[in-house]
Amino acid sequence: GDSVTQMEGPVTLSEEAFLTINCTYTATGYPSLFWYVQYPGEGLQLLLKATKADDKGSNKGFEATYRKETTSFHLEKGSVQVSDSAVYFCALSGMDSSYKLIFGSGTRLLVRP
Amino acid sequence: NAGVMQNPRHLVRRRGQEARLRCSPMKGHSHVYWYRQLPEEGLKFMVYLQKENIIDESGMPKERFSAEFPKEGPSILRIQQVVRGDSAAYFCASSPLRAGGTKNIQYFGAGTRLSVL
Repeated sequence: GDSVTQMEGPVTLSEEAFLTINCTYTATGYPSLFWYVQYPGEGLQLLLKATKADDKGSNKGFEATYRKETTSFHLEKGSVQVSDSAVYFCALSGMDSSYKLIFGSGTRLLVRP
Repeated sequence: NAGVMQNPRHLVRRRGQEARLRCSPMKGHSHVYWYRQLPEEGLKFMVYLQKENIIDESGMPKERFSAEFPKEGPSILRIQQVVRGDSAAYFCASSPLRAGGTKNIQYFGAGTRLSVL
């Protein structure tokens, strides 16, 4: 079945460092791909999304490119801030039962001043 | 426009008791989804409901778990005779139309953290 694998955390960075959180997926056809962010004590918020190969999703300085050839959707940000500290989830919506989001296990990011 | 509201935020139950988790979707949303997050794992789909109908309950355990979304009022996830393995965070999401792809995305609540003693 469809699945998502993302790098384990925690990831600890200094403010203004470059961020990469790896995400790879297994799915038939062309799933839609998402990154969600969960700030402490809050629900998941959609950060960005992409529908097809080579699409780039972007929001709040974060970017991720849908790579069909490597089945990846890595999250990047050029300069992180303390306020970016949160748990980041990679997810996909498959061709079958597309309302079901399939999540990775989450990566906790801690940004130090 | 208030977001998806879940209550309680934290729920403690002893083994054998019942747990009721409530989810009020965003205004205008008639589609509700429940997910469970076990410790150190990602969220796992449990059930998809539309007003008064269960559309897909393929992720629900066959016993002790049930869900409803009545015509009036919040969606309820009910766990009977809880066991320690039910300890998890339960998230609810809603959408205005059936979610799928990058259209009609799901909006999540803050979750209910269930602890079974």
